[in-house]
Amino acid sequence: DVVLTQTPVSLSVTLGDQASISCRSSQSLEYSDGYTYLEWYLQKPGQSPQLLIYGVSNRFSGVPDRFIGSGSGTDFTLKISRVEPEDLGVYYCFQATHDPLTFGSGTKLEIK
Amino acid sequence: EVQLVESGGGLVKPGASLKLSCVASGFTFSDYWMSWVRQTPGKTMEWIGDIKYDGSYTNYAPSLKNRFTISRDNAKSTLYLQMSNVRSEDTATYYCTRVASITIAAIFAYWGQGTLVTVSS
Repeated sequence: DVVLTQTPVSLSVTLGDQASISCRSSQSLEYSDGYTYLEWYLQKPGQSPQLLIYGVSNRFSGVPDRFIGSGSGTDFTLKISRVEPEDLGVYYCFQATHDPLTFGSGTKLEIK
Repeated sequence: EVQLVESGGGLVKPGASLKLSCVASGFTFSDYWMSWVRQTPGKTMEWIGDIKYDGSYTNYAPSLKNRFTISRDNAKSTLYLQMSNVRSEDTATYYCTRVASITIAAIFAYWGQGTLVTVSS
């Protein structure tokens, strides 16, 4: 199975600062069709997860442009510029390139 | 507005069976692939499996495919997860999810509120 390793495990950020989360895959996530099925989800406290980013860098409907996904192959990053209070929660990366589909273990973002 | 409402969770004994349901509204259910995802009490996320829009194809996590079965009733806009021979490690919140669209390759674009399954004697 593909293992997604997220770092850091937790992150404490001052409001208005930038946060960066890494997701490293044990295999390349580029599919044979050239697409990379790497997604990012945020689970806010007490809520269901919500989709932020798909295809490495595409923001889903309604997601602020403060959320920026990047990367290729096995290394991916989610950057949150100008962190706001509603950004706190647990961030998960997820891959759908290889069966079985797998999630990272999560990064908890706290506000200082 | 897309809505997914799960039900059927609760306290069950090891070895028992349980069937979860997810009623969908706000979209044409028969047009979309659907999936089940679970989250353990320790917050680990696990993909369970998915089902094609017409129910003709299913795909499962290998560790679960012998005990879990996903089905759908498009006439009732309802997704199901049949769980058999449940174990303590199946204790989790179970989410019903919908793919984004044909043009957006995002697997879990929409989520239900989840239903908690607790396996304990």
